[in-house]
Amino acid sequence: EPEVTQTPSHQVTQMGQEVILRCVPISNHLYFYWYRQILGQKVEFLVSFYNNEISEKSEIFDDQFSVERPDGSNFTLKIRSTKLEDSAMYFCASSETGGTSGYTFGSGTRLTVV
Amino acid sequence: AQSVTQLDSQVPVFEEAPVELRCNYSSSVSVYLFWYVQYPNQGLQLLLKYLSGSTLVKSINGFEAEFNKSQTSFHLRKPSVHISDTAEYFCAVSLNRDDKIIFGKGTRLHILP
Repeated sequence: EPEVTQTPSHQVTQMGQEVILRCVPISNHLYFYWYRQILGQKVEFLVSFYNNEISEKSEIFDDQFSVERPDGSNFTLKIRSTKLEDSAMYFCASSETGGTSGYTFGSGTRLTVV
Repeated sequence: AQSVTQLDSQVPVFEEAPVELRCNYSSSVSVYLFWYVQYPNQGLQLLLKYLSGSTLVKSINGFEAEFNKSQTSFHLRKPSVHISDTAEYFCAVSLNRDDKIIFGKGTRLHILP
């Protein structure tokens, strides 16, 4: 069964450093998403991406965050200057038809900011 | 804006007993509803979804959920749980194909031996 692949599975970074979280969505999917889950809390929407541009972003997704689809396969989330409160599990997801079909999620990247 | 409420943060239940995980949503328009499961140390997996048609939807591992428009609910049920069902279950909603999916806070299903 097709999978969404995320790398790395765990990243530790110092506060103020830039991090790039990588995702390879399912090849025929057109909609891409990033969510995050702070330990013990709900899964929160960050951003959706369709047709090579951001279609929606949440209040969490401020100027420190950016997304890119640099080639035909990768979808990245960059945090420019990490803060302690950015520590969370970050999930990438992709979908063939957007919100109606449900998403396929990757296994997540656990980001720890120290 | 739509929202999802899962009132129970944790539900303990004995193995082979039935279980119901409650989910209520708030929206002024038609919605699409989902249940996702997160097993320990894993990502989110789609368990089942309601898009339209029959209000009762089923998963391959014995779970089912019923869409109730009048009560704005989408409760998840299983007649007999197994230890392998131990996981966190998230109810989620979206409005249309271009809309994001909004998740509830999750319910941790704890199976007692």
